[in-house]
Amino acid sequence: KAGVTQTPRYLIKTRGQQVTLSCSPISGHRSVSWYQQTPGQGLQFLFEYFSETQRNKGNFPGRFSGRQFSNSRSEMNVSTLELGDSALYLCASSFGQGNTYEQYFGPGTRLTVT
Amino acid sequence: AQSVAQPEDQVNVAEGNPLTVKCTYSVSGNPYLFWYVQYPNRGLQFLLKYITGDNLVKGSYGFEAEFNKSQTSFHLKKPSALVSDSALYFCAVRLSNDYKLSFGAGTTVTVRA
Repeated sequence: KAGVTQTPRYLIKTRGQQVTLSCSPISGHRSVSWYQQTPGQGLQFLFEYFSETQRNKGNFPGRFSGRQFSNSRSEMNVSTLELGDSALYLCASSFGQGNTYEQYFGPGTRLTVT
Repeated sequence: AQSVAQPEDQVNVAEGNPLTVKCTYSVSGNPYLFWYVQYPNRGLQFLLKYITGDNLVKGSYGFEAEFNKSQTSFHLKKPSALVSDSALYFCAVRLSNDYKLSFGAGTTVTVRA
């Protein structure tokens, strides 16, 4: 099976702009989670979706939003970008509705805000 | 609330020696525990998990971990380290009634030849 894919892999944006990142989960996986990874804060949970429903959300401002489509593909959007939003954004998918399943991560999207 | 601590930022071992990466957790319920590894410019790779049952869990690439409820620990171990094991290791915890995965700060493992 193909792994989790994320597009684009690298992105450079200017402060104040908005950005949309895309994630395609492993075939058959219906849960998609998003994480932000930075040297200072480490890995932080953004949100998790299952069957197009957001089941959990981390402590991020409303500028961060996401959605999941009927084919389980997911997008996250960051509006009004700030310099501190520069990070590696990781998407992960898992099989099933329960929370005992492990997550499989994509390679990430490296976002640089200038 | 849930949290994970990885008390060592860095672990250095010689190839062929045992490798241990420490993890302690703090949760207010039953924890589900996971270990992941991250190689440079890559996403995280799943190694193993503890959900319930046997406290000793075996995973990928010869790694294993022992769940110790009394010490609230879930240390990752490998009997004989390889140079290719050099990477960043993350411990993570999830509550049994939650979907949020909380990660530790990570431990950089360097295995010298």
